[in-house]
Amino acid sequence: AQRVTQPEKLLSVFKGAPVELKCNYSYSGSPELFWYVQYSRQRLQLLLRHISRESIKGFTADLNKGETSFHLKKPFAQEEDSAMYYCALRTNQGGKLIFGQGTELSVKP
Amino acid sequence: GAVVSQHPSWVICKSGTSVKIECRSLDFQATTMFWYRQFPKQSLMLMATSNEGSKATYEQGVEKDKFLINHASLTLSTLTVTSAHPEDSSFYICSASAGAAYGYTFGSGTRLTVV
Repeated sequence: AQRVTQPEKLLSVFKGAPVELKCNYSYSGSPELFWYVQYSRQRLQLLLRHISRESIKGFTADLNKGETSFHLKKPFAQEEDSAMYYCALRTNQGGKLIFGQGTELSVKP
Repeated sequence: GAVVSQHPSWVICKSGTSVKIECRSLDFQATTMFWYRQFPKQSLMLMATSNEGSKATYEQGVEKDKFLINHASLTLSTLTVTSAHPEDSSFYICSASAGAAYGYTFGSGTRLTVV
């Protein structure tokens, strides 16, 4: 079964604290994973994709095939990071994306 | 960068009427467009995938006669909610892709309220 799981619905941290948003996936093929961010009243934006292995806005994510995880991390959270974060898996069925349930990150001053 | 324009951004309609939502790729050719439905602070649920010139592929449980999708050109896809009911009220989002090697660009969404 193809599935993306984000176990935390809400994650609340203080400014400057490290943050990790969890994402686990289930997929029989070679996975291609993404993190998307949705700021309040804005459209979904690509944050990063695992094949790029880049860091955007201080966020990084490493694909761990053994643990089937793609957790999103940032060492020092900022208030402007407050948003909804979605982990997504690209399938080989017409390239459709399967999204996780989303995690709301709240960074308090 | 790639831009997708979605209109209208919000619409209120009466029960029983139909509503059309447009999704346009402004600066690239979208071979594939996806339509999602999103409930408040919840995930995006894929409704259907459409390829230009082909019939849309609907996800299980999505009524194709209720949610009509047309992808007549490489820059335009439309979603028509027919005979709308209050339970169709939701946030609808489109996404466009130029192909497997490219990413996905999302529209800003349409808030549909059926009264």
